[in-house]
Amino acid sequence: DAKTTQPTSMDCAEGRAANLPCNHSTISGNEYVYWYRQIHSQGPQYIIHGLKNNETNEMASLIITEDRKSSTLILPHATLRDTAVYYCIAHTSGTYKYIFGTGTRLKVLA
Amino acid sequence: ETGVTQSPTHLIKTRGQQVTLRCSSQSGHNTVSWYQQALGQGPQFIFQYYREEENGRGNFPPRFSGLQFPNYSSELNVNALELDDSALYLCASSLNKEEKLFFGSGTQLSVL
Repeated sequence: DAKTTQPTSMDCAEGRAANLPCNHSTISGNEYVYWYRQIHSQGPQYIIHGLKNNETNEMASLIITEDRKSSTLILPHATLRDTAVYYCIAHTSGTYKYIFGTGTRLKVLA
Repeated sequence: ETGVTQSPTHLIKTRGQQVTLRCSSQSGHNTVSWYQQALGQGPQFIFQYYREEENGRGNFPPRFSGLQFPNYSSELNVNALELDDSALYLCASSLNKEEKLFFGSGTQLSVL
């Protein structure tokens, strides 16, 4: 699986959009971009995933660049409960393990 | 539907002892994966069980072993505990071996 690079930490004001970047410049054609988040003292929670098209669900939007070398997770209206560590993972379809990095620690400020 | 549950939530052991951690998968899920998370790090893959068979293994020594039962619940066993085994152990279930993961809240293991 390709390595991903994320900023160590970010702050976002409550009610504003949180845009979390991820670089995956060596991603291969069959690797999906997955996002999970981990709120303190809990297990990671699935957010969204995509291959090359932009995706949206009830939690977030995922924007993948046309060359697939980077992506952005967007939380449209961040709340205090969105404070967590966010992991971006390049995952090969059909394989059994996810390779987590150290993620981005997002702090939503009141 | 019930989520993934793990027991115990916290455990303290001494070096050299053995430990068994338990996981009940989400209803309808046939695959369980185990991850180890050291403080300040992302989860590291230990192994995955699919329909009672080990389906893949990460870079962990043989003293880390597992089981999956016919009801798809699972155990993680660690023998000859070392201080570096202190970590949060996470269990995740999925609908099939290739699907997204649903994690439990983990077992915090401290080895003294």
